[in-house]
Amino acid sequence: KQEVTQIPAALSVPEGENLVLNCSFTDSAIYNLQWFRQDPGKGLTSLLLIQSSQREQTSGRLNASLDKSSGRSTLYIAASQPGDSATYLCAVRLLRKNSGNTPLVFGKGTRLSVIA
Amino acid sequence: ETGVTQTPRHLVMGMTNKKSLKCEQHLGHNAMYWYKQSAKKPLELMFVYSLEERVENNSVPSRFSPECPNSSHLFLHLHTLQPEDSALYLCASSQDRSGAGADTQYFGPGTRLTVL
Repeated sequence: KQEVTQIPAALSVPEGENLVLNCSFTDSAIYNLQWFRQDPGKGLTSLLLIQSSQREQTSGRLNASLDKSSGRSTLYIAASQPGDSATYLCAVRLLRKNSGNTPLVFGKGTRLSVIA
Repeated sequence: ETGVTQTPRHLVMGMTNKKSLKCEQHLGHNAMYWYKQSAKKPLELMFVYSLEERVENNSVPSRFSPECPNSSHLFLHLHTLQPEDSALYLCASSQDRSGAGADTQYFGPGTRLTVL
């Protein structure tokens, strides 16, 4: 059974710092990996999606890497801002041979606070 | 209106009530999902509909009953719930390309459910 773990559970940093959020998964047979952002009491916003054949994806100040063989992904946030404060969720899409639609398995998230 | 919408945003109900949650997607997608997000737990997939047919049900209790009348609408009918069912219920949609996996899921803002 695929399990996704995110460390740390919570992180507080001063504004302007660069930071790394970690995600690990137990089964490397994944189709892709996504990072989401969730603001308190709100839905999820997709940040970056990395296909299993890719090593990283970048969007603005965000960079996500994927090492499928070791079951790890990192989300790097450069020059953090108070508006980055949110919970960041990692999710892997399982790889199934006979189905085009496979579920996302989520981690519990990392709650980030960026202090001005 | 664009994206994925959910109503109501907040719901308080007694254990003997019957209520329904509604989700509507305006993205032209062909797959819709219900997730449950409880405090301190990862998001849990409840139901998946692809092309209006239920393709996944992760052994959710029968007091939760989904309905997908067309590709744009998804309902979750609730009856005789328990206090432990209190959670944020999130709807999502995606474009399911059979054999190639589904694209990014787009999430609604969620319904905050409290069962008294």
